[in-house]
Amino acid sequence: GAGVSQSPRYKVAKRGQDVALRCDPISGHVSLFWYQQALGQGPEFLTYFQNEAQLDKSGLPSDRFFAERPEGSVSTLKIQRTQQEDSAVYLCASSLTGDRASTDTQYFGPGTRLTVL
Amino acid sequence: GQNIDQPTEMTATEGAIVQINCTYQTSGFNGLFWYQQHAGEAPTFLSYNVLDGLEEKGRFSSFLSRSKGYSYLLLKELQMKDSASYLCAVMDSNYQLIWGAGTKLIIKP
Repeated sequence: GAGVSQSPRYKVAKRGQDVALRCDPISGHVSLFWYQQALGQGPEFLTYFQNEAQLDKSGLPSDRFFAERPEGSVSTLKIQRTQQEDSAVYLCASSLTGDRASTDTQYFGPGTRLTVL
Repeated sequence: GQNIDQPTEMTATEGAIVQINCTYQTSGFNGLFWYQQHAGEAPTFLSYNVLDGLEEKGRFSSFLSRSKGYSYLLLKELQMKDSASYLCAVMDSNYQLIWGAGTKLIIKP
C-alpha cells in the first residue's frame, strides 16, 4: 500500500504481559516516529529513527519501552511488563527526509489501540 | 514549559463556516501544522504555516501570527464528513512536534 501501516490495530494485554507493535512506513521514507496518544489528547512523542539509527528516545516513558528499526524500514515498539497506564493508541509516522532539522510532513499510520487489563 | 491551547469542542451547522483557534508557547518555532483526525483513524495533514498570513487550500484555510503565538483553521461550506478532531501542532527549536489536545468539531444538519 501507499500509506503507513500498523499492526495489530487492536491489542488487549494482561498486566505484566509483553507486547510488540509493528509499523511499516511509506517506502523510501527515511524518518520514522512513534507517538503515544491518550484518549482525547494529542499525540506525545516517544522516539525517532533516521534509517536504522535511533537518534532520539527522550519521550520513552520508562525502560520498559524499547523500539528498533534494524534494517531502516519496518519498526517495532516493544513494551515489557505492561501496566494499565500504558493503555493508549500508539501511532507511527514517517517522513521523506532524514534531516532532523526538517519540516517535512509526517504521514501517520492508523495506530494500534493497546488496552491493558 | 511548552503549551498548545485549543478549544476542546465546537459545534457548527452544515454549510456554515467555522474557525478553530490555536495559541502556543514553545521553545522556538519552526512552523505550525494542522491535522484532521477522524475517530479511530490516523491524523492526516491539512496545512503548514511558517510565515505570517493566510494560506488557502480549497475549503480550508490556515492563518498564522508568530508575534501573537496564534493560528486558526477556517473551514468553509461545512460538510458532515468534516466532523472530526482538528489537531494543532508546533515544531519547536529541536524540530520536535508539540501537539495540542485537539478540537472535536461536531457538524449538525
